[in-house]
Amino acid sequence: DVKVTQSSRYLVKRTGEKVFLECVQDMDHENMFWYRQDPGLGLRLIYFSYDVKMKEKGDIPEGYSVSREKKERFSLILESASTNQTSMYLCASSTGTENHYEQYFGPGTRLTVT
Amino acid sequence: GQNIDQPTEMTATEGAIVQINCTYQTSGFNGLFWYQQHAGEAPTFLSYNVLDGLEEKGRFSSFLSRSKGYSYLLLKELQMKDSASYLCAVGFYNQGGKLIFGQGTELSVKP
Repeated sequence: DVKVTQSSRYLVKRTGEKVFLECVQDMDHENMFWYRQDPGLGLRLIYFSYDVKMKEKGDIPEGYSVSREKKERFSLILESASTNQTSMYLCASSTGTENHYEQYFGPGTRLTVT
Repeated sequence: GQNIDQPTEMTATEGAIVQINCTYQTSGFNGLFWYQQHAGEAPTFLSYNVLDGLEEKGRFSSFLSRSKGYSYLLLKELQMKDSASYLCAVGFYNQGGKLIFGQGTELSVKP
């Protein structure tokens, strides 16, 4: 079974804090993704990575950065957290194989910024 | 951008059949995905269409028509546990495998 784990299920941070969300997958997947999910807006892609040290902006990268130093780990960084970044954050991974690139999701981190 | 439209909510009866539609205005995608998401849980992969036509997987089937710009997910013999959100997404294999999701359809199955 594919396993994608995220460092925390729930996190509460203060405005202005630097926040790290960690994601680890154990299936040797090439691709990794960070989304946020908000009511009425669905899943929105923040950043993704198709290889170690590679990163690509998604649809809403502003206020976020990412790091992928190892294949199995993809970190999302909020440099200075703001209240509008309160959300559910979901990490996912997939293989680089055409016709088999369905994404597998972690359990999510519910971040509250106060 | 890619507009992907799904109905916000649907209600159906246990044992019935329900069809959840997804229309899109995009091009260049490689495949269309359907995911299921129960409340408070992560999305899980249901099905994937590359070519036009029907893909069947047990009680779940998914259909794609590229010329008409739409897909649907068909759920047969509905069970109470099928109450969930169903997400449609277009996939771009040549862009790092990224998926662009619709807002999802909240399905309620009633006894």
